Amino acid sequence: DGGITQSPKYLFRKEGQNVTLSCEQNLNHDAMYWYRQDPGQGLRLIYYSQIVNDFQKGDIAEGYSVSREKKESFPLTVTSAQKNPTAFYLCASSLLRNNYGYTFGSGTRLTVV
Amino acid sequence: QQQVKQSPQSLIVQKGGISIINCAYENTAFDYFPWYQQFPGKGPALLIAIRPDVSEKKEGRFTISFNKSAKQFSLHIMDSQPGDSATYFCAAAGGGGSNYKLTFGKGTLLTVNP
Repeated sequence: DGGITQSPKYLFRKEGQNVTLSCEQNLNHDAMYWYRQDPGQGLRLIYYSQIVNDFQKGDIAEGYSVSREKKESFPLTVTSAQKNPTAFYLCASSLLRNNYGYTFGSGTRLTVV
Repeated sequence: QQQVKQSPQSLIVQKGGISIINCAYENTAFDYFPWYQQFPGKGPALLIAIRPDVSEKKEGRFTISFNKSAKQFSLHIMDSQPGDSATYFCAAAGGGGSNYKLTFGKGTLLTVNP
């Protein structure tokens, strides 16, 4: 079945460490997105990418980095520069034309310990 | 700035009642209006969507009502059930260079009491 897979489901990070969250899709979607979700804050866009080797900052990109070396993969690195990284991170993908629906992954909960 | 304003922030409904969540948008170029349902610890899932050429779309107990002139759309959940308890997000897309990118409302936490 086609879908979008995020791993790991839970991640613990020590302060000062970088961590990378994985996102893989086999839907042949062109665009991929990373969102951060905090309680009561809704979905905030971190980065998005329309094509391989190209990506754009979203509303809260500071302290995060991404890469898009393959169409299927869009990993997110939470760097030590991110002051408050504890959150639920969601990856999504979509087509670029004629179908605006997003498919979301099941999320990664990151906790700083 | 493109915005989608969603209300209420939280909603409590008795089993069998009607749940109504409202959204308003500003960008008249928007042409796709989906609703997403999210259960705790899960990613949002597309529930139902509408395009502005129709004023209403119904799928089972879920109905979207769309008012183009008022730039508003709403989700109605008929015969609400405890299993409908979740967070609901409205969204909109269309117009501009990144016209595939959704703009989300801030979400509504729905609780259906048994």
